[in-house]
Amino acid sequence: EAGVTQSPTHLIKTRGQQATLRCSPISGHTSVYWYQQALGLGLQFLLWYDEGEERNRGNFPPRFSGRQFPNYSSELNVNALELEDSALYLCASSLATPGDNEQFFGPGTRLTVL
Amino acid sequence: AQSVTQLGSHVSVSEGALVLLRCNYSSSVPPYLFWYVQYPNQGLQLLLKYTTGATLVKGINGFEAEFKKSETSFHLTKPSAHMSDAAEYFCAVSDWGNTGKLIFGQGTTLQVKP
Repeated sequence: EAGVTQSPTHLIKTRGQQATLRCSPISGHTSVYWYQQALGLGLQFLLWYDEGEERNRGNFPPRFSGRQFPNYSSELNVNALELEDSALYLCASSLATPGDNEQFFGPGTRLTVL
Repeated sequence: AQSVTQLGSHVSVSEGALVLLRCNYSSSVPPYLFWYVQYPNQGLQLLLKYTTGATLVKGINGFEAEFKKSETSFHLTKPSAHMSDAAEYFCAVSDWGNTGKLIFGQGTTLQVKP
C-alpha cells in the first residue's frame, strides 16, 4: 500500500513569490492535514481538510491557504513568501472518522525562501 | 488547553544501553497519545499509540511506552539501543474537540554511541 506522497521534495523561492505544495493521501483516507516544521519552532498544525472542506486551521496568517480535491489530494499555497516561511512542510492523512486521530505522514516538502 | 512536554532535547546512550525518552502531557480529558520518529530528511513514522485499554503499549522496532495517568506521563523505552535508533522522537497528544490536530512536543534527538 502506497503511503502519503508529497511533491516537490524541495522548493526554492524568493521573498514575495508564491509556493504551491502538493499531497496525495493514502488510498481510502479522506482527511488531510498540513503541518509546518520550522527550525526551533517544532511541529505546528496548519490546516485540516476533510471531504473537500477546510475543517480547522492553526494560528497562521491568511496567506497560508489550501484546498482538497475530489480525489482527496490536497495542495497548500503560501502567498507573499517571507524568509521565516522556510521550513519542512509535512502532510498527513487519516481515515474519515479517525477516532484516535492516528495520522500517517508523508516525507515532506522542504521550502527555502531566499 | 492540552500540551506536551518532552524532557531533554538531546539524549545520548551507548549501543546496547537502555533508551528512555520522557514525555509528560497536560489534558483535562483522557488523552490519545502517540510517539513518532523522524529520521534525517524524512517524514514522521508512528512508533506506537495509546488510546484506551492496556497502559503498556508495544510498538515497532522494540519500543514500548507506558501510560501513567497519575503522573500524566507517557515515557518511551527500549531495552537495548541500536545505532539505527539514532533519530528525533516526538511525543504527541490528540487535541480534544475534533479539531483534527495533533499537539507535538518539541522533540528529543537520540544519539547512539558505538
